Parts: sequence; C-alpha cells; structure tokens
Amino acid sequence: QVQLVQSGAEVKKPGASMKVSCKASGYTFSDYQMHWVRQAPGQGLEWMGRINPKSGGTIYAQKFQGRVTLTRDTSVNTAYMELSRLTSDDTAVYYCVKEGVDGHWGQGTLVTVSS
Amino acid sequence: EIVLTQSLGTLSLSPGERATLSCRASQSVSSNYLAWYQQKPGQAPRLLIYGASSRATGIPDRFSGSGSGTDFTLTISRLEPEDFAVYYCQQYGSSPYTFGQGTKVEIK
Repeated sequence: QVQLVQSGAEVKKPGASMKVSCKASGYTFSDYQMHWVRQAPGQGLEWMGRINPKSGGTIYAQKFQGRVTLTRDTSVNTAYMELSRLTSDDTAVYYCVKEGVDGHWGQGTLVTVSS
Repeated sequence: EIVLTQSLGTLSLSPGERATLSCRASQSVSSNYLAWYQQKPGQAPRLLIYGASSRATGIPDRFSGSGSGTDFTLTISRLEPEDFAVYYCQQYGSSPYTFGQGTKVEIK
C-alpha cells in the first residue's frame, strides 16, 4: 500500500532554514509528481509547489519563490522540501502529497518558528 | 492566480440532512480540474472528489461533485455523524494550485 512518511517535528529560530523529508513506498516513486502543502494553525491549506521525481523539474508558488527548494533522491524514494529565511508566519504543518486520484498525503510535519 | 471562494464559512445541519457546498473560481478552471477534500481535526485532508465530479477511491456515494467553468458544488446527500468536518476545494488546472478557504459543516 502507498505510504508517505515524513520527518519529525522541528523547532526553528527566525532566519533559519528547515528541511522536511517525505519517504515514499508502495508505488513507483518516479511516476508521480509530489506536491507540498502547508497549513498554519487554525488556518486553511496553502499549496507551495511540486516536483517531478523523474526529471527533478519544479514549479513553485510565487509566494515562496526564492525561499523554497524542492528536491528528491530517487535512490531512496524520498522527496525534500527546504524553506529558508523562516519567520513566525512559517509556523505550520507541512504535508507532502502524491499526485493522483488515490489522494495520498503524508502525516504532516509540524514546524514551529520561535525565538 | 485563480482565487477560489467558498461562500459559506460554516454550515449548521443535522444528521440526515443534505449539505450543499459551493466553490466559485475567479476564472475558468482548466479542464474542470477541481478537487474537494474533507479534513477532520488533527488529520491530513482526505480526497473526496477529483475532476469536479469523480469520486476518489473508497468514497461513499453520498458524496457527489458537480459544476464546470467557475462554479462548482459538493453535495452530501444525507449527512452521517462522521461527515461533520471542514471541506476545501482546490483547483489544479493552473499553477499555483490554489485552495478555497474552507467550509465547516457543523452539527446543528
């Protein structure tokens, strides 16, 4: 069965960077694009971008351009999302989402940005 | 960027009633690439509908989606206790793949 297992919760200082991993199993990793979505506490969902695991090609939401980097390592079926220059507004749960009609999401990673 | 507006912030209904949720796009959604998600507290969203009207795997047939262009609707024919949650629409026809702000369906 498809599983997306994300790395654990993190606490970061303002100005720092964060990197969340998403390990995929149960399907051919390279065949489906991986999206990243975040949700601030008590707020709605926000799409950040997506990566094509086969080519490495990326598309980012304009809001995050220059701050977000999506990468992947096909040898370990893992996608990564790195976000730099963190502020308190980046405190959120970050999700990886496998593209497709089966709708698989990771369990979410809470990142707290606090001094 | 396509802005999705879910006009109802909260919908108060009783179990067994019909729920009708709307999602309006600021411009036409390409190929009707519109999805609906359900989210319960502390959980990741669950895909209900894709392509405006196709049910995702394992989704009960009391959930249905309709619409095209800029106006879309999610209908829950008879609310079950487990259906009280927040519902989001998302367009994935053009980047950025924006979400609506959500509609909470609460028990009346």
